[in-house]
Amino acid sequence: KAGVTQTPRYLIKTRGQQVTLSCSPISGHRSVSWYQQTPGQGLQFLFEYFSETQRNKGNFPGRFSGRQFSNSRSEMNVSTLELGDSALYLCASRPTGLNTGELFFGEGSRLTVL
Amino acid sequence: AQSVTQLDSQVPVFEEAPVELRCNYSSSVSVYLFWYVQYPNQGLQLLLKYLSGSTLVKGINGFEAEFNKSQTSFHLRKPSVHISDTAEYFCAVSPDSGGYQKVTFGTGTKLQVIP
Repeated sequence: KAGVTQTPRYLIKTRGQQVTLSCSPISGHRSVSWYQQTPGQGLQFLFEYFSETQRNKGNFPGRFSGRQFSNSRSEMNVSTLELGDSALYLCASRPTGLNTGELFFGEGSRLTVL
Repeated sequence: AQSVTQLDSQVPVFEEAPVELRCNYSSSVSVYLFWYVQYPNQGLQLLLKYLSGSTLVKGINGFEAEFNKSQTSFHLRKPSVHISDTAEYFCAVSPDSGGYQKVTFGTGTKLQVIP
C-alpha cells in the first residue's frame, strides 16, 4: 500500500507569490491534515479535511487555505507569501473507522521563500 | 481540551547509554498516546502507541514507553541508543471519547547521540 504522497518535495518562491501544495493520502483514508513545521514554532496544526469538508482549523491567517477533492486528495494554498512562511509543510492522513487519532505522515514539502 | 508537555527540547546522550524522553499530558477524558520520530528532512513516523491494555508499550527500533495514568505521563525509553537514533521525537495525545479525535502534539525533543 502506497504511503502519503506530497508534491513537490522542495520549492523556492519569492515574497508576494503564491504556492499550492498537494497531498495524496493512503488509499481508503478520507481524512487529511496539514501541519507547518518551523525551527522556531515547532509543529503547528493548519487544518483538517474529511470527505471534502474542513472539520478543524488552526490559528493561521486567511492567506492559508485548503481543500479536499472527492478522491480525498488535498491541496493547500498560501497566497502573498512572506519570508516567515518558509517551512516544512507536512500532510497526514488517518483511516476511516479507526478513531484513535493515529496519523500517517508524508515526507513533507519544504518551502523556501526568498 | 488537552495538552502535551515535553520538558526537554534537546537531550544529548552518549552512544550505547540509556535514554529517557519525558512526556506529560493533560486531559479531562481518557486518552490515546503516541510517540512519533522524525529523521532529518523527513515526515513523522509512528514509533509506538498506547490505546489500552498493558501500560508498557514496545515500539520499533528497541524503544518502549510506559503509560502512567496517575502521573499523566508517557515517557519514552531505550536501554542503549545508537547513532541512528539521532532524530526529533514527538509525543502526541488524542481523546478516547468516540467520534472525531483532535490530535495534540508536544513541542518535540531532539535526541543527539554522541559517538
